[in-house]
Order: sequence, then structure tokens, then C-alpha cells
Amino acid sequence: GENVEQHPSTLSVQEGDSAVIKCTYSDSASNYFPWYKQELGKRPQLIIDIRSNVGEKKDQRIAVTLNKTAKHFSLHITETQPEDSAVYFCAAKVDNDMRFGAGTRLTVKP
Amino acid sequence: NAGVMQNPRHLVRRRGQEARLRCSPMKGHSHVYWYRQLPEEGLKFMVYLQKENIIDESGMPKERFSAEFPKEGPSILRIQQVVRGDSAAYFCASSPPEALSMGEQYFGPGTRLTVT
Repeated sequence: GENVEQHPSTLSVQEGDSAVIKCTYSDSASNYFPWYKQELGKRPQLIIDIRSNVGEKKDQRIAVTLNKTAKHFSLHITETQPEDSAVYFCAAKVDNDMRFGAGTRLTVKP
Repeated sequence: NAGVMQNPRHLVRRRGQEARLRCSPMKGHSHVYWYRQLPEEGLKFMVYLQKENIIDESGMPKERFSAEFPKEGPSILRIQQVVRGDSAAYFCASSPPEALSMGEQYFGPGTRLTVT
């Protein structure tokens, strides 16, 4: 089955800096790659996603890039703010099977 | 649209009791997924259901755990004879029919199960 690895496990940045989180996946048939943000004690919330036929997608301060050949995708957050502090999960989906990375705890210091 | 609903939000059970967790998907969604999240850990897939069908239960423990999504009513995750290791947050997610989506999933608020 699909295996998703996520790095780093923790990330601390200064407010205003950029943050990058990277994920790799194992199944080349994976065709959908969402990113979720989970604040402490809350539900995971979908923040951005990308399909395998697209290389990059941007939504305001958030962007995701996908390299199908290398089987990795990344989340980029620019101009970070303290409210961006949360745990971020990547995921990869093939057919009905969605597998999540282990999560990255992002801390944005004011 | 009320979003994905889960109840109860918090559930305390003694070892050996049964736990029943309920999930109502978003309106128009026909796919339900259950995930378990241990403290400080990621989301582990448990089971994927459509109405009256279990599509994929590869993440479910072989014993004590069962799930259903009846024609009427919410999806139920049932844990029999709970043990302390079952203490976790259980999230339900739903997604629209495949023809209408890329497969995006929307999560409920979770049920936090504590086994004492």
C-alpha cells in the first residue's frame, strides 16, 4: 500500500519568514495530494490540495508543489503569522486509499 | 450545511465496556472514513464505508472493532471490551460521490475516548 513520509517533524520560524514542509510517497498511482492543518484539540482542516496533473497550486500565502517523477510534494507558507502555528499533515490518495504523513508541528514566533 | 457531525465529543469508558461512536456525514456525501489519532501522533486510517457497504477495512484491528453505515442514520464505530490502549481521538471524515470530487475529505470534530 501507499506509504507517506513527512519532514521535518517540528519546524520553528520567525514571524514573516517562510516555512516549507516536504512529503514523499511510494505509490506512483497516487493522484491526489491534500494538506491539512490541525490546531490543538481541533479537527484537521483541508487548506490546499493538488491533483497529479498539476505541478503547482497557490492560494494567497500557501502554495503546494508536486514532482511526480521524484514522488514528492511540498507545502510552502510565506509571510508566516503566529496563527499559522499548528500541526500540518500531508496525504496521498490512490483509488479509495488516503494515507497521511506523521505531521509537522509548525511554531511561528512573534 | 452543518458539516460532519460526530457524537459524543468526549466519551469515558471503563475497561471491558463498549464504546459507540457516531458520525453523520455532510449532506450529499456518501463516503465515510474513520481515523484514529493517538496523542501527539498522526491520523491512522481505519475503515472506509459507503451506505450499507464496507469498502476497505484494512486499518481496523481484527478483533473488538467494527463499523457500519446503515441505509438510514449515522455511521457507527463500535469498540467492544475497550482497553486503555484504545484511548485516542477518533475522527470521521466524509467526501462527496467520486464523480463530484477529487476525493477531498472533510473531518468531523472528533470523539475523544478515554478508557479508565
